Amino acid sequence: NAGVTQTPKFQVLKTGQSMTLQCAQDMNHEYMSWYRQDPGMGLRLIHYSVGAGITDQGEVPNGYNVSRSTTEDFPLRLLSAAPSQTSVYFCASSALAGGSEQYFGPGTRLTVT
Amino acid sequence: DAKTTQPPSMDCAEGRAANLPCNHSTISGNEYVYWYRQIHSQGPQYIIHGLKNNETNEMASLIITEDRKSSTLILPHATLRDTAVYYCIVRPRTGYNAGNMLTFGGGTRLMVKP
Repeated sequence: NAGVTQTPKFQVLKTGQSMTLQCAQDMNHEYMSWYRQDPGMGLRLIHYSVGAGITDQGEVPNGYNVSRSTTEDFPLRLLSAAPSQTSVYFCASSALAGGSEQYFGPGTRLTVT
Repeated sequence: DAKTTQPPSMDCAEGRAANLPCNHSTISGNEYVYWYRQIHSQGPQYIIHGLKNNETNEMASLIITEDRKSSTLILPHATLRDTAVYYCIVRPRTGYNAGNMLTFGGGTRLMVKP
């Protein structure tokens, strides 16, 4: 099992550009989510999904879109990048919706200039 | 999530056991104790969880007091790669909330030294 994988590992964007952060898991987990972590700060939930075709907003959804067309994949789209979106992005999955055993990817470090 | 209290930092000699304490005096009957860690620049890593019995897996052991108001995570033979921030979280196992956001407090910064 590869677990949760994320690409790219690093990305630099200019203000206004758009891009998609990829997340995939091979554990057949129903629940997937995206967090961001700013320096010295805790995790903040951006969007989550309890299964294919179902997504919902987390704590800080503005500026981001998600879709869940398959159980395995949960991409995060930045619509028009802003410097405030400079952060490390983590994708996570768990077998159960509301489950507390969550498995995280290695992260994508995004810088917006 | 029930409030937890952890020491901000600890040191441990390589090869020795690391014992990380956590106080959770307001824990509810349906809440489990979960431990995660975050190694620098990596994603958080689930370690272990328990309800009231002691638990052991390939990474660590979890000792929960009989009154469930505190617990200790034990890394039996700490290595330099165990240097990380360790988080104790108390919450139900499932169905906590639809968003299921994990909230990490300050945690304990464990430094394993040669």
